[in-house]
Amino acid sequence: DIQMTQSPSSLSASVGDRVTITCRASQSISTFLNWYHQKPGKAPKLLIYAASTLQSGVPSRFSGSGSGTDFTLTISSLQPEDFATYYCQQSYSTPSTFGQGTRLEIK
Amino acid sequence: QLQLQESGPGLVKPSETLSLICTVSGGSISSNDYYWGWVRQPPGKGLEWIGSIYYSGSTYYNPSLKSRVTISVDTSKNQFSLKLNSMTAADTAVYYCARRNKRYGSGDYWGPGTLVTVSS
Repeated sequence: DIQMTQSPSSLSASVGDRVTITCRASQSISTFLNWYHQKPGKAPKLLIYAASTLQSGVPSRFSGSGSGTDFTLTISSLQPEDFATYYCQQSYSTPSTFGQGTRLEIK
Repeated sequence: QLQLQESGPGLVKPSETLSLICTVSGGSISSNDYYWGWVRQPPGKGLEWIGSIYYSGSTYYNPSLKSRVTISVDTSKNQFSLKLNSMTAADTAVYYCARRNKRYGSGDYWGPGTLVTVSS
């Protein structure tokens, strides 16, 4: 299985901050990398697919980049509704695997 | 607007089989562009992909669960289902059904999830 490792595991930030979360794959996955966020008690919500394509309806303050093994999710200006747990997911090979999550908290 | 909804028991006894159904509304399950799958999340932990099915019946399972999992589809009811046998406490989790884009593998629509507890 391909292992996905996110950093940091948790992060404290303020409204308006620029935040970057990193995801590293244990082997090359091209651009088969997706980003989600999840709020307590809710299902994950797709933010970015194919490493850098913004899902329809997702605000443009979210962006993704990377290819191969190293990927980043950037939130340009944090809004109150962005405080959640973020997951990356590789869809390059079966089984699809997720990172362990990055918990983004209000400072 | 596409909607997915999981249904099934919230409590399962150890060694028994879990059966969950995902009902899809607002769109057809018989689409060439999507897989339909299951993901689970133990309380306070991360996400685990269980498996996916295409409307034709082709299945893809997580090898770690493959010996215990069956996913099937009923296109006439616009539903797909999950069976997981030999349940143990380690299978206690919120179970989500989701639609996966066939080209990118991304899950763009999810059900709200259903908590399944394994306990006698």
